[in-house]
Amino acid sequence: EDQVTQSPEALRLQEGESSSLNCSYTVSGLRGLFWYRQDPGKGPEFLFTLYSAGEEKEKERLKATLTKKESFLHITAPKPEDSATYLCAVQAAGTASKLTFGTGTRLQVTL
Amino acid sequence: NAGVTQTPKFQVLKTGQSMTLQCAQDMNHEYMSWYRQDPGMGLRLIHYSVGAGITDQGEVPNGYNVSRSTTEDFPLRLLSAAPSQTSVYFCASSLTGREQYFGPGTRLTVT
Repeated sequence: EDQVTQSPEALRLQEGESSSLNCSYTVSGLRGLFWYRQDPGKGPEFLFTLYSAGEEKEKERLKATLTKKESFLHITAPKPEDSATYLCAVQAAGTASKLTFGTGTRLQVTL
Repeated sequence: NAGVTQTPKFQVLKTGQSMTLQCAQDMNHEYMSWYRQDPGMGLRLIHYSVGAGITDQGEVPNGYNVSRSTTEDFPLRLLSAAPSQTSVYFCASSLTGREQYFGPGTRLTVT
């Protein structure tokens, strides 16, 4: 059974204080690992897809990395507008349109 | 493009009532999915479709029906609502079966 565990559950940072969110996973052959951002009362917003160990993707202050067992979402010099819940999901090889999600990390960035 | 749209935004049902949650997308995506999101549980897949006329069960399909008569629409039917179906429901679509794009959600309460 595919599993995704995210840590920490919640993280409070001051503006400019860089940190990382962790996503540990077990999957029977990785087809893709996905990061989403979710604001309160809204649907998840797609951020990145990672396909294989060693891959990295960047977007503004966010950088996602992937190993064979986990992925990190690094947030560099965060701003208050980065406050959101960040979700990680995996898709197993041979499946289409089936994602297994973690429970997310709730990030709050204060001034 | 409107992307993925869902109606209604909010709904209150009594136990035993039936209803249909609507989902539409205008991106010509073949893949569509329904998820539910509950506190502490993460997003869980209910049903998915890989194209018009083709549907399959996800992780938590009991109590829900789907059909896919057109590429654009993927309604989710609750046959006889139960309090355990109180949740936030998200519809998603995908061009490739990998990256999924989510709608704004329907918040359902069953009393």
